[in-house]
Amino acid sequence: GIQVEQSPPDLILQEGANSTLRCNFSDSVNNLQWFHQNPWGQLINLFYIPSGTKQNGRLSATTVATERYSLLYISSSQTTDSGVYFCAVSYNFNKFYFGSGTKLNVKP
Amino acid sequence: EAGVVQSPRYKIIEKKQPVAFWCNPISGHNTLYWYLQNLGQGPELLIRYENEEAVDDSQLPKDRFSAERLKGVDSTLKIQPAELGDSAVYLCASSPRRGSEQYFGPGTRLTVT
Repeated sequence: GIQVEQSPPDLILQEGANSTLRCNFSDSVNNLQWFHQNPWGQLINLFYIPSGTKQNGRLSATTVATERYSLLYISSSQTTDSGVYFCAVSYNFNKFYFGSGTKLNVKP
Repeated sequence: EAGVVQSPRYKIIEKKQPVAFWCNPISGHNTLYWYLQNLGQGPELLIRYENEEAVDDSQLPKDRFSAERLKGVDSTLKIQPAELGDSAVYLCASSPRRGSEQYFGPGTRLTVT
């Protein structure tokens, strides 16, 4: 299967700081999603971004499929951004492979 | 639009007992997934349905796990008998079609004692 590596594994930020989370994958993909898992365990869709750049408020994401990576940018972080961020990829519209996540803690 | 519904949210059972989880996907979503999530890890696929057909169940431990999706809508995942190592969160997700954006339910946290 496709190997998905996320970095950093842990991140501590002061409220208001910016951050970049990275997702590397081992093979060609044609689907990629970013999720936020909140402290109650709910996985929330952030972006469906097989390629290109998207923005939603303080969050934006860029996927460069030819170079096998995606980046998630969080600007002006808030305490509610805390949780675990997952990247999931799939090829040929089959199963999704998840990374191990980046655990973010935003301190007030 | 209602999201993916799962029940129960929490379940505590003794080992060797059976347990079942239920999932109701978003209306109109043809693809349904069951995932297992261990603490500190990302979700891992157990089984994927396209309508009522199981098209990827290679990760499902078939000696004790079973799943069904009757009429291509609701789905049930069963474990019989449960083992201590089955303690985890069981997540259900659905997509409008194969490979498209997934939407997750809140999950069922299973504790086997």
